[in-house]
Amino acid sequence: DAGVTQSPTHLIKTRGQHVTLRCSPISGHKSVSWYQQVLGQGPQFIFQYYEKEERGRGNFPDRFSARQFPNYSSELNVNALLLGDSALYLCASSLRFQGDTEAFFGQGTRLTVV
Amino acid sequence: GENVEQHPSTLSVQEGDSAVIKCTYSDSASNYFPWYKQELGKRPQLIIDIRSNVGEKKDQRIAVTLNKTAKHFSLHITETQPEDSAVYFCAASKLRQLTFGSGTQLTVLP
Repeated sequence: DAGVTQSPTHLIKTRGQHVTLRCSPISGHKSVSWYQQVLGQGPQFIFQYYEKEERGRGNFPDRFSARQFPNYSSELNVNALLLGDSALYLCASSLRFQGDTEAFFGQGTRLTVV
Repeated sequence: GENVEQHPSTLSVQEGDSAVIKCTYSDSASNYFPWYKQELGKRPQLIIDIRSNVGEKKDQRIAVTLNKTAKHFSLHITETQPEDSAVYFCAASKLRQLTFGSGTQLTVLP
């Protein structure tokens, strides 16, 4: 059974550009969350989606948005990229709400903004 | 919001010794406390978790303790091995959102 998959694995963008990151959860998992991990720090919560609805949002600007599709896959979009958006973006899936059941992480997308 | 502090930031132990990592959380409403291990360039992986209605949980060489009154929880690794070397993150869940600590780089010296 495949784990959480994310694409692309690496990405280089220029300041001001837009980026879309993708996540496919483990089959049967209905919750997907996104995290930003800056080098040397713990993951920071960005969004949680459950049953295709946003169920939580962290302290990130409106430039960050996300959605969950009928097949439970998810996209994270970031507009007007800043140098400070450079980070590892992690997707995590779980059977139900994260915090109620184990969260399984993908390998992440390494975003570099130049 | 929830705030999780983790100590120490780095920890070196001799192979076979024990390692202890401590975390404190701020919000008494948090009720789920997982620990993740992240090896260099790899995804975080859950190694053990504990819920607020339990004081201690063990899984082979790994144990976690929770003190709800003091709002702190700890990870204990016994008989450490070189493959235990990694970054360990604690987390606390409130309103179904995970808040992570800043991580502990554990190095097990042969």
